[in-house]
Amino acid sequence: DTEVTQTPKHLVMGMTNKKSLKCEQHMGHRAMYWYKQKAKKPPELMFVYSYEKLSINESVPSRFSPECPNSSLLNLHLHALQPEDSALYLCASSRSTPSYEQYFGPGTRLTVT
Amino acid sequence: ILNVEQSPQSLHVQEGDSTNFTCSFPSSNFYALHWYRWETAKSPEALFVMTLNGDEKKKGRISATLNTKEGYSYLYIKGSQPEDSATYLCAPGFNQGGKLIFGQGTELSVKP
Repeated sequence: DTEVTQTPKHLVMGMTNKKSLKCEQHMGHRAMYWYKQKAKKPPELMFVYSYEKLSINESVPSRFSPECPNSSLLNLHLHALQPEDSALYLCASSRSTPSYEQYFGPGTRLTVT
Repeated sequence: ILNVEQSPQSLHVQEGDSTNFTCSFPSSNFYALHWYRWETAKSPEALFVMTLNGDEKKKGRISATLNTKEGYSYLYIKGSQPEDSATYLCAPGFNQGGKLIFGQGTELSVKP
């Protein structure tokens, strides 16, 4: 199984809502990533988890809160987002960092109203 | 701020043409160079990961080379097919930290 799954596919939320994005992989990968991608731009790294510990936080606002409950699962908790946070959120995983290819999920298209 | 440049930004070729793209990046603290292929409405797909100066990798009609001393990589597609149409992203990593810096991509369109 070389698949990274993400749910939901689409999410519309108001600025006062709390929601979560979920990412799952069963490849035994020990590194997992959250990226944000705006239209016509490349993916921008948000967070890296290595062996279930947060290893990189790219100065992401605290309204985004990552969580790695186990080696297969990665969540991104969202609270009090702004309309400019609307984007495609991609999850990826790799065997470890950084010499191994990353396997990407299909992404969650988030719209903040 | 680390600058990763890809050229050209977009490319339109006929089926059967061979083509190549460039990725340039700072050579200091370099650790690895990734190439990804991203088709519309799909997930980015890894093509190659290269770490050593002079590395050459090949997968079918697609190949890549790496020059870490001068900070560039080339991606070649031999005999382009319509299914090669996609955005090709390069992403160098630095300092072994796990962070990849993605370039803006080269958008390839292959006409039958």
